[in-house]
Amino acid sequence: SQKIEQNSEALNIQEGKTATLTCNYTNYSPAYLQWYRQDPGRGPVFLLLIRENEKEKRKERLKVTFDTTLKQSLFHITASQPADSATYLCALDPLSSGSARQLTFGSGTQLTVLP
Amino acid sequence: SAVISQKPSRDICQRGTSLTIQCQVDSQVTMMFWYRQQPGQSLTLIATANQGSEATYESGFVIDKFPISRPNLTFSTLTVSNMSPEDSSIYLCSGKGVSETQYFGPGTRLLVL
Repeated sequence: SQKIEQNSEALNIQEGKTATLTCNYTNYSPAYLQWYRQDPGRGPVFLLLIRENEKEKRKERLKVTFDTTLKQSLFHITASQPADSATYLCALDPLSSGSARQLTFGSGTQLTVLP
Repeated sequence: SAVISQKPSRDICQRGTSLTIQCQVDSQVTMMFWYRQQPGQSLTLIATANQGSEATYESGFVIDKFPISRPNLTFSTLTVSNMSPEDSSIYLCSGKGVSETQYFGPGTRLLVL
């Protein structure tokens, strides 16, 4: 069956360190993968999209990698700050054609950056 | 990017009643979706709202329980019918344009007593 798994339900790190979140998927061949941030009581907010032919993408302190052989994406936040504390969701289009269908989401990792 | 608003933002309802949630997008989107998110869980897709026709429901969700309308490109409603405490959840409206990015509303937090 198709599955999207994120490494752990909760991750605590010290301010200034790099947070690394993992997203693994099985039985999908996505054309792209996305990462979202969700704060308590709010809807998810788009952060980054990486395509199957891209190995890495960066945006400010964020970096995403995508390994289609391992079927894994890593999401890094460098120089983490307490304001980065939130739940991070990975999501992918379940159709390999990358057509405009809805995303399927992982269960999320709750990140807490300790001051 | 699209801005999506929902109302109500939250409600407390009695068992057996129905609640209609409204979703407005500020720009044209090609697709609109409704998700449910139970406490501590990820998002589960309820249905795709189709303009001018019946919504496309995911497994486990039926039209009688979750009727959906989308009379035009930028507006949709989701009704939670004959509610029970198990329907307590956050309901999220989402829109997708020509890009692959999905945008989400702030959610409607529903508590059924």
